[in-house]
Amino acid sequence: EAGVAQSPRYKIIEKRQSVAFWCNPISGHATLYWYQQILGQGPKLLIQFQNNGVVDDSQLPKDRFSAERLKGVDSTLKIQPAKLEDSAVYLCASSSGTATYNEQFFGPGTRLTVL
Amino acid sequence: AQSVTQPDIHITVSEGASLELRCNYSYGATPYLFWYVQSPGQGLQLLLKYFSGDTLVQGIKGFEAEFKRSQSSFNLRKPSVHWSDAAEYFCAVGPPEINKLIFGAGTRLAVHP
Repeated sequence: EAGVAQSPRYKIIEKRQSVAFWCNPISGHATLYWYQQILGQGPKLLIQFQNNGVVDDSQLPKDRFSAERLKGVDSTLKIQPAKLEDSAVYLCASSSGTATYNEQFFGPGTRLTVL
Repeated sequence: AQSVTQPDIHITVSEGASLELRCNYSYGATPYLFWYVQSPGQGLQLLLKYFSGDTLVQGIKGFEAEFKRSQSSFNLRKPSVHWSDAAEYFCAVGPPEINKLIFGAGTRLAVHP
């Protein structure tokens, strides 16, 4: 079974530029998550999708971050414009359901550096 | 508000030695509890989880964890550490009613030969 795929693995941009990350979840997983992991911290949930609908985006900085999950499969996370404090690893995860007891499977992440 | 504390930022042990990583949580009832491991350049992998029942849970790679309600703790243990266990370990709490995971800041484990 293929795992969660993410691309790119690394991205370096200058502040005020825009950037997009892509995630392909495990086949059949209806729930998809985007996390932000700042160096020295644990992952923080940015947004959770159930199929192509948003379940929770309470911690997504909506003035600069956006995410979509068209057709309920792949997802993209965009930052526009980027700030220095956006430097982090962005992790995508998927699970078969929205309940907490459903195991989340994580991708390798995209490491973003904002200069 | 729910929170997770991992008091140890870095831990170094010798190969073959025992290991205990501490995790304390703040929550009004018994949440779902998880331990994840993250190797360099990898995503997080679930080691074990506790929902209810037996307070000692077994996980993958020889790890176990014990839930202690009175101490609001869920410490991770391994009797004999291997060099390949060097990684970062994250404790997470999942309050059932909000369906999300709250992670601690992590403990980075180094293993000396």
